[in-house]
Amino acid sequence: QLQLKESGPGLVKPSETLSLTCTVSGGSISSSSHYWGWIRQPPGKGLEWIGNIYYSGSTHYNSSLKSRVTISVDTSKNQFSLELSSVTAADTAVYYCSRRVGGSGRRDFWGQGTLVTVSS
Amino acid sequence: QSALTQPASVSGSPGQSITISCTGTSSDVGTYNYVSWYQQHPGKAPKLIIYDVTNRPSGVSDRFSGSKSGNTASLTISGLQAEDEADYYCDSYTTSSTWVFGRGTKLTVL
Repeated sequence: QLQLKESGPGLVKPSETLSLTCTVSGGSISSSSHYWGWIRQPPGKGLEWIGNIYYSGSTHYNSSLKSRVTISVDTSKNQFSLELSSVTAADTAVYYCSRRVGGSGRRDFWGQGTLVTVSS
Repeated sequence: QSALTQPASVSGSPGQSITISCTGTSSDVGTYNYVSWYQQHPGKAPKLIIYDVTNRPSGVSDRFSGSKSGNTASLTISGLQAEDEADYYCDSYTTSSTWVFGRGTKLTVL
């Protein structure tokens, strides 16, 4: 069974860079059939798509975050990562990683989520 | 990219049917059949219940069904059960090669 798990600091200072990693187990991140993405949810609010990456390194980002976001993939470690620069309190959220089936909207596997708080 | 429009809340009694709408534009819902629905219980990760407008993943109850007309997609839950009380989100692919979620709907089972 595929599993995704987010990891990274739970507290980040304002203006610094938020860095998270999603480790994939039970399947290969190098699958040509899937895309890997990040989604966040501020406390008490709705879901926001951040972006996704293909195993080849091809990315797409939410236009509202594009200037601050980088998603990368490390196929040797079966991981993909999120970096969000110049964070503010508005970036405080639960961050989820997920897998989507290519050619479909089927986002079928999600990590448990990790809360990142931006505070000094 | 603006969030898709969903009602903030809906409610129904056990056994009844409810429908949640998800309204987008011709740049997303109206163009692509890549609309999905997710169920989220408090403190939990979202769970996929409908994908590509009408498809149910294996293991999801057939009480959940999806449809689309023009720029609006809909999720119908029939035979409402207490365990269906949760937040529901839609999402869609867009003409910008990105994805957009709805604002979410809180379902209360009376």
